[in-house]
Amino acid sequence: DTGVSQDPRHKITKRGQNVTFRCDPISEHNRLYWYRQTLGQGPEFLTYFQNEAQLEKSRLLSDRFSAERPKGSFSTLEIQRTEQGDSAMYLCASSLAARGSGANVLTFGAGSRLTVL
Amino acid sequence: SQKIEQNSEALNIQEGKTATLTCNYTNYSPAYLQWYRQDPGRGPVFLLLIRENEKEKRKERLKVTFDTTLKQSLFHITASQPADSATYLCALASGTYKYIFGTGTRLKVLA
Repeated sequence: DTGVSQDPRHKITKRGQNVTFRCDPISEHNRLYWYRQTLGQGPEFLTYFQNEAQLEKSRLLSDRFSAERPKGSFSTLEIQRTEQGDSAMYLCASSLAARGSGANVLTFGAGSRLTVL
Repeated sequence: SQKIEQNSEALNIQEGKTATLTCNYTNYSPAYLQWYRQDPGRGPVFLLLIRENEKEKRKERLKVTFDTTLKQSLFHITASQPADSATYLCALASGTYKYIFGTGTRLKVLA
């Protein structure tokens, strides 16, 4: 297992189409995050899973966005009826919840760049 | 509202000098602060973590300080090299899982 994998790396779509991104985290990591990053900005938190449970969703995640993590392994992020404002890099990260220390380090994938025409 | 500020302007320094990047925050009481490096078209890569009860952390040529009174962290790269050129992000967590990122500062080390 060499790290967090994201697929596809690049996606160009027309406005109104649906897109789905997949993230395969580091296998022993139980936490999985989705972030969105636009040019010149830092990553913005979208949602977080502990195992298969989605524990938090940002207000940035409108009802057109849905994320799943079936069986607590890989995750998918689907955007329905895409808009030009959805164009961004979608980053997935995973981490291992360490008992006691509380802190955890995020390992990011290379991201999936979405362009909505 | 909660805010994390990093210098949005690029920082250019000469090779061999020490680069110092700043992360300021407001309306936050972070338990942990991390610094990440991001290269163009890639995801961020973890560099250092510092806890609220720690003043300073070092790793090779990197040093992070954390002043909860000033609500500021400083990130230093000593003996900088052109390969250190990248965007550096600070990230804060109040709890144990959710990290909020700053906008990042782009560093360019000139040969």
